[in-house]
Amino acid sequence: AQSVAQPEDQVNVAEGNPLTVKCTYSVSGNPYLFWYVQYPNRGLQFLLKYITGDNLVKGSYGFEAEFNKSQTSFHLKKPSALVSDSALYFCAVRDNGDTGKLIFGQGTTLQVKP
Amino acid sequence: SQTIHQWPATLVQPVGSPLSLECTVEGTSNPNLYWYRQAAGRGLQLLFYSVGIGQISSEVPQNLSASRPQDRQFILSSKKLLLSDSGFYLCAGQGGAFFGQGTRLTVV
Repeated sequence: AQSVAQPEDQVNVAEGNPLTVKCTYSVSGNPYLFWYVQYPNRGLQFLLKYITGDNLVKGSYGFEAEFNKSQTSFHLKKPSALVSDSALYFCAVRDNGDTGKLIFGQGTTLQVKP
Repeated sequence: SQTIHQWPATLVQPVGSPLSLECTVEGTSNPNLYWYRQAAGRGLQLLFYSVGIGQISSEVPQNLSASRPQDRQFILSSKKLLLSDSGFYLCAGQGGAFFGQGTRLTVV
């Protein structure tokens, strides 16, 4: 069965410092991986995705993610965190079957302190 | 590019009342559409998906149902709401990049 794990419930960083939000996955075949951000009582905002190609994917708002096949990881990164980056972040993998459904991690709350 | 419209944004309903949440999509034809539920501000669970008009698949047994009466319309319903139906409901389009703004449902 395909799955996604976000091992940290919360990540705390100081403004201006680099941030990393971790994600590992388990899929059969090639993974389609996604990162989303959610602000309180709002829908999901798409940040970036990996389908194939370059292992470093650049996305919205200065975020990037590194696909590592040997470690089955897809960590989200940003060189310099902003207070406004504080939100709930989800990693997801697309099901390899016909449904196209997304399988989500449990989410990681990012807290950026001034 | 798709735009997902979802309403209402918030809803408070008594136990035993019916429910109808509507989702419409712009910018594409015959998309796969999805209803997810997020409980307690955490992980999202797929409830239903549809690959076309009248075609609904349910992922988990529950008190809810879904319908796809038109190509770009996807409706989530219940005949009688339960307290456990409370949550944040998200409609999603095809490809993983398009979500509605969500409906916060509170059953009281």
